[in-house]
Amino acid sequence: GEDVEQSLFLSVREGDSSVINCTYTDSSSTYLYWYKQEPGAGLQLLTYIFSNMDMKQDQRLTVLLNKKDKHLSLRIADTQTGDSAIYFCAESSGGGADGLTFGKGTHLIIQP
Amino acid sequence: NAGVTQTPKFRILKIGQSMTLQCTQDMNHNYMYWYRQDPGMGLKLIYYSVGAGITDKGEVPNGYNVSRSTTEDFPLRLELAAPSQTSVYFCASILGEKLFFGSGTQLSVL
Repeated sequence: GEDVEQSLFLSVREGDSSVINCTYTDSSSTYLYWYKQEPGAGLQLLTYIFSNMDMKQDQRLTVLLNKKDKHLSLRIADTQTGDSAIYFCAESSGGGADGLTFGKGTHLIIQP
Repeated sequence: NAGVTQTPKFRILKIGQSMTLQCTQDMNHNYMYWYRQDPGMGLKLIYYSVGAGITDKGEVPNGYNVSRSTTEDFPLRLELAAPSQTSVYFCASILGEKLFFGSGTQLSVL
């Protein structure tokens, strides 16, 4: 079945850029997503990208997609303490009717 | 606009008890989902529904049942609670390509 892989932890200094990486196996993925989960809260959709795009920018967030290598990344510029959270990569195929497949999440730790 | 609402937020069950996790959405979305989240394991799909009267099993359906009598409501039922069902449960609905989540139900089975 489909698989989505992420590293479990990333530690960065406040003010630096954070880059969270994700790989997926489903070549029929149509949309790829980044969700943010703060402690005790649900998942908040941060951004998503259609599979025929290779980059999407939204304020401090930049998503890069390498479809050939099935690699997705999320770059957060000027990382702040409020960015501390777990970030989930997810993919869908077939319009998402049967749900999204999620990675295990990357815990972003901000050092002062 | 409330979005996706789940109740209760927390619950402790004894082994063998039953309960229903409630989920309702006011966005008139057809597609709804139940996920469970275990530490370090990401989210696993339990059941989903593409519309009223239609439900399908996800990746981890055993021990759960669902119903979808209306577009708004998608309750998740545990008939005989087991410790392995200790988890955080998230309901979600989708419109187009965007999945919206509820705030979760933290369930402990002791």
